[in-house]
Amino acid sequence: DQQVKQNSPSLSVQEGRISILNCDYTNSMFDYFLWYKKYPAEGPTFLISISSIKDKNEDGRFTVFLNKSAKHLSLHIVPSQPGDSAVYFCAASDSPGSSNTGKLIFGQGTTLQVKP
Amino acid sequence: EAQVTQNPRYLITVTGKKLTVTCSQNMNHEYMSWYRQDPGLGLRQIYYSMNVEVTDKGDVPEGYKVSRKEKRNFPLILESPSPNQTSLYFCASSRAGLYGELFFGEGSRLTVL
Repeated sequence: DQQVKQNSPSLSVQEGRISILNCDYTNSMFDYFLWYKKYPAEGPTFLISISSIKDKNEDGRFTVFLNKSAKHLSLHIVPSQPGDSAVYFCAASDSPGSSNTGKLIFGQGTTLQVKP
Repeated sequence: EAQVTQNPRYLITVTGKKLTVTCSQNMNHEYMSWYRQDPGLGLRQIYYSMNVEVTDKGDVPEGYKVSRKEKRNFPLILESPSPNQTSLYFCASSRAGLYGELFFGEGSRLTVL
């Protein structure tokens, strides 16, 4: 059972426009969410994260929104650039109380293509 | 340069022939983890280690072993590889308490015939 789902395998946007990547999760115990970017032949790189105590986190052109009631998060990239073309993975973890379980669950990934 | 190094990067082997994929990090990170990436399934966690001599199963540990005798190294062992272990493998590390913000290696593409 896929606890973290990215239902759109691919997304194509024009340079300068907004890219919105979506992610849904089923486990209400998840309290920390992350986005990773992956270029071909490279390992994923950390992009941005959000804790469940927040509903928005911003870092430059990248903003992550969290809707806990809907168990949904999204990554907005504004403005999109051709160099943003990559596979984007969302990930989630639960850390009950003060313990740190170390388990991180990834979605299937969405391939973003930004056209010049 | 801060990095996670995996070896080999590419390997073709046959069913049943034991192999080890090494992983080393130079950032003094406490946390290390192994993932496999398969089409349509994303990244799935195999094993992780919160610190030296502390390891635990991820979501898909069957057929794999790990050890963490030193902080910097976290090898992945396939005692008897099978074709369903053909995959792209990633090792990752992070500081304690920030285990989600991982530094990944470049990946090891393994083919089991």
